[in-house]
Amino acid sequence: KNQVEQSPQSLIILEGKNCTLQCNYTVSPFSNLRWYKQDTGRGPVSLTIMTFSENTKSNGRYTATLDADTKQSSLHITASQLSDSASYICVGGDSSYKLIFGSGTRLLVRP
Amino acid sequence: DSGVTQTPKHLITATGQRVTLRCSPRSGDLSVYWYQQSLDQGLQFLIQYYNGEERAKGNILERFSAQQFPDLHSELNLSSLELGDSALYFCASSPRGPQNTGELFFGEGSRLTVL
Repeated sequence: KNQVEQSPQSLIILEGKNCTLQCNYTVSPFSNLRWYKQDTGRGPVSLTIMTFSENTKSNGRYTATLDADTKQSSLHITASQLSDSASYICVGGDSSYKLIFGSGTRLLVRP
Repeated sequence: DSGVTQTPKHLITATGQRVTLRCSPRSGDLSVYWYQQSLDQGLQFLIQYYNGEERAKGNILERFSAQQFPDLHSELNLSSLELGDSALYFCASSPRGPQNTGELFFGEGSRLTVL
């Protein structure tokens, strides 16, 4: 069964610190891996999309990595800001273009 | 602003009732997706339309139905509502066709509360 698991479920960090969110996926046949940011009560916003041939992609202070062999992805946030407080959702896409959403990691950045 | 418009933003209704949620995709996007997000849950795919035709179905209940109109806006109809239908309903659009899911652009959602 295709599934995406994220860890940790929630995370609290101090403003200015870095953090890394993890995603393990079982999506077959695998096509792409996405990360979205979702502010509370708002729609998700795309951060990165990576195909199986890409192993890193950056979007400002956000850097996503992909290891297709171990079926793991991570999202690294550098120099966190209060506005980074949100849920971060990992999404696996299969080759029939279905998207499988993880439950998200809830990040809280404190001053 | 993603360019995807959803109405209404909030809706409160009673069990057994029927509601219609509306979505206008980004200009030029032919694909529309509907998702349900219950409290503290992940997004669950409901249904996809491409240029007026249903292209994929997810975990959509028989009490729910959707359609995409010639002007490409879409409506999600929820009937015989139950307490468990309370959730955020998101619409997303994509510039790609059904055989190539590109970047998804999400609306701000419609929050449905069933009392």
